[in-house]
Amino acid sequence: DVKVTQSSRYLVKRTGEKVFLECVQDMDHENMFWYRQDPGLGLRLIYFSYDVKMKEKGDIPEGYSVSREKKERFSLILESASTNQTSMYLCASSPRGVGNQPQHFGDGTRLSIL
Amino acid sequence: GESVGLHLPTLSVQEGDNSIINCAYSNSASDYFIWYKQESGKGPQFIIDIRSNMDKRQGQRVTVLLNKTVKHLSLQIAATQPGDSAVYFCAENSGGSNYKLTFGKGTLLTVNP
Repeated sequence: DVKVTQSSRYLVKRTGEKVFLECVQDMDHENMFWYRQDPGLGLRLIYFSYDVKMKEKGDIPEGYSVSREKKERFSLILESASTNQTSMYLCASSPRGVGNQPQHFGDGTRLSIL
Repeated sequence: GESVGLHLPTLSVQEGDNSIINCAYSNSASDYFIWYKQESGKGPQFIIDIRSNMDKRQGQRVTVLLNKTVKHLSLQIAATQPGDSAVYFCAENSGGSNYKLTFGKGTLLTVNP
């Protein structure tokens, strides 16, 4: 089975802090994604990466950056955390393959910014 | 803009009944669709997918139907069990992209014993 592991289930940080969310997958997938999930809004794509050191902006990249130094690890960075970034953050991965492939998700990090 | 949507936000069924969860999509260029299940406190779990060259696909106790004429997707769960209680949402591949998905907002399925 695909295993996507997010380093923290719950995290509480203060406004203005720099926050790192880590994600590791063990299936040698090329594609990795960061989403946030908010009630009534569904999943929204923040950033994705299709290869090491490659990144693309998603639908809501403002206030975030990402890092992909190794194939298995994709980090989301909140440069200066704000209260409106309180949310559930979900990491996913998928193989490149021929044609479409499903994304597989971790169990999320519930981040609170005080 | 075009988006994936759901007809019903909540669905309550009796244990043992069949459940049908619906999804409407508006992007006619989408050719790949996925159903996910999300239990409380967990991440979305892949259930089943279907490509646009198919009308129906079956898994274990689940069937996905695709009607491209009316841009409609449904998930049928046979003999629904209490463990099926979760939020279910569909996703489409955003106009043919091979890795970018657009997600619906979800339907909460509650199974009554």
